[in-house]
Amino acid sequence: GDSVTQMEGPVTLSEEAFLTINCTYTATGYPSLFWYVQYPGEGLQLLLKATKADDKGSNKGFEATYRKETTSFHLEKGSVQVSDSAVYFCALTQPGTGFQKLVFGTGTRLLVSP
Amino acid sequence: DAGVIQSPRHEVTEMGQEVTLRCKPISGHDYLFWYRQTMMRGLELLIYFNNNVPIDDSGMPEDRFSAKMPNASFSTLKIQPSEPRDSAVYFCASSGPGLREKLFFGSGTQLSVL
Repeated sequence: GDSVTQMEGPVTLSEEAFLTINCTYTATGYPSLFWYVQYPGEGLQLLLKATKADDKGSNKGFEATYRKETTSFHLEKGSVQVSDSAVYFCALTQPGTGFQKLVFGTGTRLLVSP
Repeated sequence: DAGVIQSPRHEVTEMGQEVTLRCKPISGHDYLFWYRQTMMRGLELLIYFNNNVPIDDSGMPEDRFSAKMPNASFSTLKIQPSEPRDSAVYFCASSGPGLREKLFFGSGTQLSVL
């Protein structure tokens, strides 16, 4: 079945450092890809998405590019802030099955220190 | 917009007791999801409803788990009897017309079964 693999955390960075969180997926066809973020004590919220190969999703300074050839959707940010400390989830869904069958990775915790 | 509201935030109970988790989705949303989050298994979809009707409960782990949605503004997830391995964070999420894959999550219920 479909699956998402994320890098182990925590990722520990200093403020203004460059961030990369790796995400690869296994799926048939052309899934839609998402990044969700979970701030401490809160539920997950959609951060960005991409629905076809070479699409770049972006939001709040974060971006990720849908790479079909490497089955990857790595999350990047040029300069992280303390407020970015959270758990980040990569997810996919298959067209046709729709959003009802979102498949999540296990999450990567990001810790940003001043 | 109050968002998805879950109660209680924390629940501590003893093995064998009945546990009821509650969720109020965002008004106007027609899909409601129950997820379970654990360190070992990550985020798992347990069941989802469309227009108050259960559509897919294949993720419900055992007959001890049951979920209902008596109306558009209320859902419950019940565990009877509870076991220590049920300890997890349980999230409710909803989505509505427009951007279906944008799930709105509640803050979760942290369940501890002793």
